[in-house]
Amino acid sequence: AQSVTQLDSQVPVFEEAPVELRCNYSSSVSVYLFWYVQYPNQGLQLLLKYLSGSTLVKGINGFEAEFNKSQTSFHLRKPSVHISDTAEYFCAVSEVRDQGGKLIFGQGTELSVKP
Amino acid sequence: NAGVTQTPKFRILKIGQSMTLQCAQDMNHNYMYWYRQDPGMGLKLIYYSVGAGITDKGEVPNGYNVSRSTTEDFPLRLELAAPSQTSVYFCASSTPGLAGEQYFGPGTRLTVT
Repeated sequence: AQSVTQLDSQVPVFEEAPVELRCNYSSSVSVYLFWYVQYPNQGLQLLLKYLSGSTLVKGINGFEAEFNKSQTSFHLRKPSVHISDTAEYFCAVSEVRDQGGKLIFGQGTELSVKP
Repeated sequence: NAGVTQTPKFRILKIGQSMTLQCAQDMNHNYMYWYRQDPGMGLKLIYYSVGAGITDKGEVPNGYNVSRSTTEDFPLRLELAAPSQTSVYFCASSTPGLAGEQYFGPGTRLTVT
């Protein structure tokens, strides 16, 4: 079975500072990796995903993530955050072989950007 | 396209009541999912469906039922509501070509008292 651990439940940061949100996963089979964002009182939307190929993945709103197979990590980064990045961020995995495309989510990280 | 729509947005139920949460998508996606979100717990899969007439349990199915008679609709039924079912419920849809990417509805906030 797969599991996803987001190492920080809350990350406060000042505007224009860099940020890293950490995600580790556990799986005995090949997985796809995702980061979703949830703005207050909204559903989730996809930030970026890793399927295969280059381990550095770029997503929307200037975010990027790096897949590290040896450390089973998929950390999310942004070099300079804005107030509008305040949201909850979820890391998720799905098995490559899973015909139903089910996602296993981490617990979420609340990013709070302060002026 | 409206994407994934959910109704109602909010609902308060008394213990023991029943209700159906509605979910519809207009993207012709084969796969649909129901999740619940509790603070600090992420999202947990309740039920999912890979096509009309096919449903299966997820991680936390107890106390819920689903049906999928059409590609577009995937209602979630709560029978005999309990306080433990107080949560925010999200419906999502996907299709094999998206390799796991899911589209989410806006959610239904349910309180059981």
